[in-house]
Amino acid sequence: GAGVSQTPSNKVTEKGKYVELRCDPISGHTALYWYRQSLGQGPEFLIYFQGTGAADDSGLPNDRFFAVRPEGSVSTLKIQRTERGDSAVYLCASSFGTPTDTQYFGPGTRLTVL
Amino acid sequence: EDQVTQSPEALRLQEGESSSLNCSYTVSGLRGLFWYRQDPGKGPEFLFTLYSAGEEKEKERLKATLTKKESFLHITAPKPEDSATYLCAVQYGGYNKLIFGAGTRLAVHP
Repeated sequence: GAGVSQTPSNKVTEKGKYVELRCDPISGHTALYWYRQSLGQGPEFLIYFQGTGAADDSGLPNDRFFAVRPEGSVSTLKIQRTERGDSAVYLCASSFGTPTDTQYFGPGTRLTVL
Repeated sequence: EDQVTQSPEALRLQEGESSSLNCSYTVSGLRGLFWYRQDPGKGPEFLFTLYSAGEEKEKERLKATLTKKESFLHITAPKPEDSATYLCAVQYGGYNKLIFGAGTRLAVHP
């Protein structure tokens, strides 16, 4: 079946602009995760949704970052007043939401802030 | 403090030369240890989950093992198509998030 999809695959923006990154999880998965991966590093947790609510947002670096999942399926990660340090690959993952179940990752969105 | 540490950072092997990758962790209350493979420009691809010390899992040329403080990913007779970054991650306590190591970049040459 279809895996996790993310759009756009690449996004180039200017410092100070607003961006939205979209994630479409695997059908039937109730849990959705956002991670950020910098070059040469492992993914770093940002936020986790169970259904429509954010169950853990402890990884969001500051209040410029916000994510929503209004209908419990598609999620959007929103970044305000982008900074050059926000440049990274943003990964989305989904799972069935049971303890220790497998998280399946999408291909990521490469964000470049000029 | 580092919670998940992978070694070596990079590994170059000749085709058929077996080796092991290491993942050590310092978290308490481990619920699961996950191995992923990541090809350039792609998202991590799930390989294995290990839940308790002594557990082993195999898939083709890969075998993952778990002790109380570390996990090993053994690669037997690797082929060039095994070249990738291998990521280790842990899930612990009451958290559902994964904590990743920095990965091991494996290059297998013919």
